[in-house]
Amino acid sequence: AQSVTQLDSHVSVSEGTPVLLRCNYSSSYSPSLFWYVQHPNKGLQLLLKYTSAATLVKGINGFEAEFKKSETSFHLTKPSAHMSDAAEYFCVVSDQTSGSARQLTFGSGTQLTVLP
Amino acid sequence: DVKVTQSSRYLVKRTGEKVFLECVQDMDHENMFWYRQDPGLGLRLIYFSYDVKMKEKGDIPEGYSVSREKKERFSLILESASTNQTSMYLCASSLWTGGYEQYFGPGTRLTVT
Repeated sequence: AQSVTQLDSHVSVSEGTPVLLRCNYSSSYSPSLFWYVQHPNKGLQLLLKYTSAATLVKGINGFEAEFKKSETSFHLTKPSAHMSDAAEYFCVVSDQTSGSARQLTFGSGTQLTVLP
Repeated sequence: DVKVTQSSRYLVKRTGEKVFLECVQDMDHENMFWYRQDPGLGLRLIYFSYDVKMKEKGDIPEGYSVSREKKERFSLILESASTNQTSMYLCASSLWTGGYEQYFGPGTRLTVT
């Protein structure tokens, strides 16, 4: 069985300071990992994905994440927060045991607030 | 770009009504999914489909049914809407192979009164 734990339900940063959103996962096999972002009253947008290639993954809008197998972590970072980054972020895992159509397991989400 | 569209952004229905939520994707994806999203509960999978006329139950199928008559279209049906089905409904699609990332529609906010 696979699971995802997002360690912070809310993160607040000042504009221009670094962002760190933490995610730990549990998976029986080699997982695929994703970060999605959801702005208010919108659908989910894929930020980046890890699928067993490079462990440091770069995504859109300056975000990146590092896959660390030894720590079972996939934390999301950005060097400098922008007001438009304020949104909810979801860490997501998919592994080979999901069945007929690769299902995703979603974390509970981290609400990012960016202060002026 | 992958595009997933949903028939309505906002919908208000009365208890007991039959409700249809439509989802269309334009990238020839094999897999399609319906989720509901509620505060504090995250995204929960209702049903998914990996081929035309094929469907499988997700985590919370009770009170819902689905239909997939064409590859690009996946419908969610609430046979008799109830107030506890008030929620945000999200449709997604993905390829059968590859990275398995899902692409989401904008969501339908359904209110049942």
